[in-house]
Amino acid sequence: AQSVTQLGSHVSVSEGALVLLRCNYSSSVPPYLFWYVQYPNQGLQLLLKYTTGATLVKGINGFEAEFKKSETSFHLTKPSAHMSDAAEYFCAVTPGAGGSYIPTFGRGTSLIVHP
Amino acid sequence: DGGITQSPKYLFRKEGQNVTLSCEQNLNHDAMYWYRQDPGQGLRLIYYSQIVNDFQKGDIAEGYSVSREKKESFPLTVTSAQKNPTAFYLCASRALINTDTQYFGPGTRLTVL
Repeated sequence: AQSVTQLGSHVSVSEGALVLLRCNYSSSVPPYLFWYVQYPNQGLQLLLKYTTGATLVKGINGFEAEFKKSETSFHLTKPSAHMSDAAEYFCAVTPGAGGSYIPTFGRGTSLIVHP
Repeated sequence: DGGITQSPKYLFRKEGQNVTLSCEQNLNHDAMYWYRQDPGQGLRLIYYSQIVNDFQKGDIAEGYSVSREKKESFPLTVTSAQKNPTAFYLCASRALINTDTQYFGPGTRLTVL
């Protein structure tokens, strides 16, 4: 069984400020973890993913996330927010190698960026 | 360009009518998925298919049906049995070998009047 909790349905930051979107997961097996971004009325686009290896992963648009097994977390960060980062962000977990690939998604966090 | 197409972008139907949402991919992916998205609820899996002529129910399959007659196509029918069909529907696909990433289509917003 697996689940994802995204803390905060809305996060508001000023342009240029640090972005931190929180994701905690539970999984009975070593997980694969993903962050997706969704702009209004569009599909999901992969930002970054963790499968194995280096626990700090870098993605597109300056985002990065760190897999912390002891904390069961995979928080998404960006040093400096841009207006164009305003979107919905989804964290997802799926069983790792050898598991059935059926991801479970969090409820999403809406990022609001103020000028 | 390779990708996933969903049509139409917006769809309106009267209550009690069945409606079919199209999903086509030219990525040569084996697996395809249908998700329903409602505000504040994330994505919920309706059906998925890993091979032609075979598919499995997801978490919220009641009131929906699918077919997988061709590798590149995975249409979803929203039947009149679905109690609350108004939602945003997303199709995704994935290669089964050497990848762990789903690719999503642009979505179809269904409104039942």
